[in-house]
Amino acid sequence: GAVVSQHPSRVICKSGTSVKIECRSLDFQATTMFWYRQFPKQSLMLMATSNEGSKATYEQGVEKDKFLINHASLTLSTLTVTSAHPEDSSFYICSARYSHSGNTIYFGEGSWLTVV
Amino acid sequence: GENVEQHPSTLSVQEGDSAVIKCTYSDSASNYFPWYKQELGKRPQLIIDIRSNVGEKKDQRIAVTLNKTAKHFSLHITETQPEDSAVYFCAASIDTNAGKSTFGDGTTLTVKP
Repeated sequence: GAVVSQHPSRVICKSGTSVKIECRSLDFQATTMFWYRQFPKQSLMLMATSNEGSKATYEQGVEKDKFLINHASLTLSTLTVTSAHPEDSSFYICSARYSHSGNTIYFGEGSWLTVV
Repeated sequence: GENVEQHPSTLSVQEGDSAVIKCTYSDSASNYFPWYKQELGKRPQLIIDIRSNVGEKKDQRIAVTLNKTAKHFSLHITETQPEDSAVYFCAASIDTNAGKSTFGDGTTLTVKP
């Protein structure tokens, strides 16, 4: 099946700094990737849709200047949390749509972000 | 927009028993309904999905049923095993944009040996 890899799996950063999380589709091209945020014991909340070669589409309430998304190639999307604060601490997950499997989406391993 | 409600939030069963998790959705345009299993701190994994042109789908011990009229769908796990213990999420979306699924709040399933 399709494999989506996410890196880093865990990151700790200081308040005010920026953190970049990468999402790669390893064995297929993904024109569209998705970024989610998940708080402990809660559901996945879609943050934005990342489109290769164009600007990301953000969900209502998600600050585009704080959560920068870049989808520079068909296999890589990045999420940069800028000027991170403790309330940004969360589990961030990406997914990619694999069109050859009927539009099934495959998730990355997720990244635990802790802002201290 | 779409609204998905999932019940129960927690479910505890004895090994070998069946488990049923139910979800309702609000948007009649939704036509793709996947179920994901997520272990603590790990990625959600698709375990089964159903599209609105069928009413039931089965894969070994797992089955999903869909009632389009009532806008609800259910996950059925038979002969549960301790390794089935995890959080299960239902989701609803339009097939061509599965990544924009609306997820249920999740059900924590515990299978007691």
